[in-house]
Amino acid sequence: EVQLVESGGGLVQPGGSLRLSCAASGFTFSDHYMDWVRQAPGKGLEWVGRTRNKAESYTTQYAASVKGRFTISRDDSENSLYLQMNSLKTEDTAVYYCARDVNTETHAPGYWGQGTLVTVSS
Amino acid sequence: QSVLTQPPSASGTPGQRVTISCSGSSSNIEKNNVYWYQQFSGSAPKLLIYRSNQRPSGVPDRFSGSKSGTSASLAISGLRSEDEADYYCAAWDDSLSGRVFGGGTKLTVL
Repeated sequence: EVQLVESGGGLVQPGGSLRLSCAASGFTFSDHYMDWVRQAPGKGLEWVGRTRNKAESYTTQYAASVKGRFTISRDDSENSLYLQMNSLKTEDTAVYYCARDVNTETHAPGYWGQGTLVTVSS
Repeated sequence: QSVLTQPPSASGTPGQRVTISCSGSSSNIEKNNVYWYQQFSGSAPKLLIYRSNQRPSGVPDRFSGSKSGTSASLAISGLRSEDEADYYCAAWDDSLSGRVFGGGTKLTVL
């Protein structure tokens, strides 16, 4: 069974940094694309970015709203996905979900974690 | 403003058939697959439809997806009270080189 568990959320001041983690289990982590998607309170879903799999050299892509501030990385030996968030803004306040692709041929988010809340406020 | 456009709300009575639309453009829906997600209040999204019209195992066949040109639709037949949730469409956008979501549709079962 695919399981994704996010952690690392919390309260941070504007301009600060935070690192989120996502522990994965139940599948061969290195075979899959992994995404981060966020949801501001009372709002819709917003794609943050993704990392491709080992076969595609772990290349990353980001939404324009976070490019240059957020960095996605992964450690296949630990079955873990990370989101390093720097220069945080109040508008980054959201629940952050990690998601695995549907399958190795369909790279949209298919399995989701329960999310971790990040609050950016002074 | 979301890149994909959905109606903010939809409603129906038990047993009815309801459709939710998702309008995009040539850089997203027309060229790429559409995905639909169901989200209950306070919970993570769940994949409902992938590759525009495919259902993951465990998703009832009451849910179906279709795509034509720059638009897509999610249809729910035999509406049930437990279908009351938020529904989101998503697609890859070639111009933005990123995934885009609709603003979500809140489905109410009257």
